[in-house]
Amino acid sequence: GNSVTQMEGPVTLSEEAFLTINCTYTATGYPSLFWYVQYPGEGLQLLLKATKADDKGSNKGFEATYRKETTSFHLEKGSVQVSDSAVYFCALSSIGGGSNYKLTFGKGTLLTVNP
Amino acid sequence: EAQVTQNPRYLITVTGKKLTVTCSQNMNHEYMSWYRQDPGLGLRQIYYSMNVEVTDKGDVPEGYKVSRKEKRNFPLILESPSPNQTSLYFCASSLYQGMETQYFGPGTRLLVL
Repeated sequence: GNSVTQMEGPVTLSEEAFLTINCTYTATGYPSLFWYVQYPGEGLQLLLKATKADDKGSNKGFEATYRKETTSFHLEKGSVQVSDSAVYFCALSSIGGGSNYKLTFGKGTLLTVNP
Repeated sequence: EAQVTQNPRYLITVTGKKLTVTCSQNMNHEYMSWYRQDPGLGLRQIYYSMNVEVTDKGDVPEGYKVSRKEKRNFPLILESPSPNQTSLYFCASSLYQGMETQYFGPGTRLLVL
């Protein structure tokens, strides 16, 4: 079945530090890949996505490139801010049983950015 | 404002007392889904609905029921809650089944004593 593995947290950085959160996946076919972010007390929001190999998703200074050869979709940001503190989820979307295009999530990585 | 709403946001109940968590979206989305979020496990799909009157099981449906009588509403029903259903629940929707970007509600934190 499909699965997503992302680096375990928590991750603690100082403001303006470089961020990488690793994500690898296992899936049949050609999944779409996503990063969702969950700020404290809120639901998940789509951060960025990529729908085919070599696509780069980007938003709010975050980037991730769909690497089919390494089955990876690592999240990066060059200079984090305190406001980036949140839980980040890597996810893939593919067709499952019963034609259900469901999202399969990683376990989440808690990022804390200190001033 | 386009949104997914859930009620209640917080709920404490006792084992065996039936409860319903409501979910409503105002975006005319056809596809709706329920997830539960547990520490160390991420989000897991409970049930989904591709359209009105069409629902099916996700990965962890045991102990839950759903109904989809109207397009905008997708309530989650726990007929006889147990402590292992203590969790954070999210409703999500998307325009069509197969549309990849899902919109999530703010979550309902449930504690079953």
